[in-house]
Amino acid sequence: EAGVAQSPRYKIIEKRQSVAFWCNPISGHATLYWYQQILGQGPKLLIQFQNNGVVDDSQLPKDRFSAERLKGVDSTLKIQPAKLEDSAVYLCASSPDAAQQYFGPGTRLTVT
Amino acid sequence: AQSVTQPDIHITVSEGASLELRCNYSYGATPYLFWYVQSPGQGLQLLLKYFSGDTLVQGIKGFEAEFKRSQSSFNLRKPSVHWSDAAEYFCAVALTGGGNKLTFGTGTQLKVEL
Repeated sequence: EAGVAQSPRYKIIEKRQSVAFWCNPISGHATLYWYQQILGQGPKLLIQFQNNGVVDDSQLPKDRFSAERLKGVDSTLKIQPAKLEDSAVYLCASSPDAAQQYFGPGTRLTVT
Repeated sequence: AQSVTQPDIHITVSEGASLELRCNYSYGATPYLFWYVQSPGQGLQLLLKYFSGDTLVQGIKGFEAEFKRSQSSFNLRKPSVHWSDAAEYFCAVALTGGGNKLTFGTGTQLKVEL
């Protein structure tokens, strides 16, 4: 079974630029999550989708971050404009049910 | 708000020695509890989880964890550490199961000396 795919794996941008990350969850998984992991910290949930609807986006900085999950499969997370403090690893996870989340390898973003 | 505390930022053990990583949580009820491992450049891999029942749970790679309600703890243990266990370990909690929002601790970085 293929795992959660993410791209790109690494991205370096300058502050005030925009960036987008892509996630392809495990086939059949209805729930998709985006987490932000800042160096030295545990992952923090940004947004949770159930199919193509948003379940929880309470910790998403909506002035600069946006996410969508069209057709309830792939998802993109966008940052516009980026700030230095957005440097982090962005993890995507998917889940078929309430039991377990499966994580992708992450995208490491460096904002200079 | 629920929180997870991992008091040890770094731990170093010798290969073959036993290991215990500490995790304490703060929440009004018993949450669902998880341990994940993260190797450099990799995503998070689930080691084990506790939902209910037997308080000693077995996981992959020879790990186990014990839930102690009275101490609000869920410590991870391994009797004999292998060099390949060097990684970062995260304890996490969820309100209603692993398919919902996970709150993670800050992680414990494990170094294994040969």
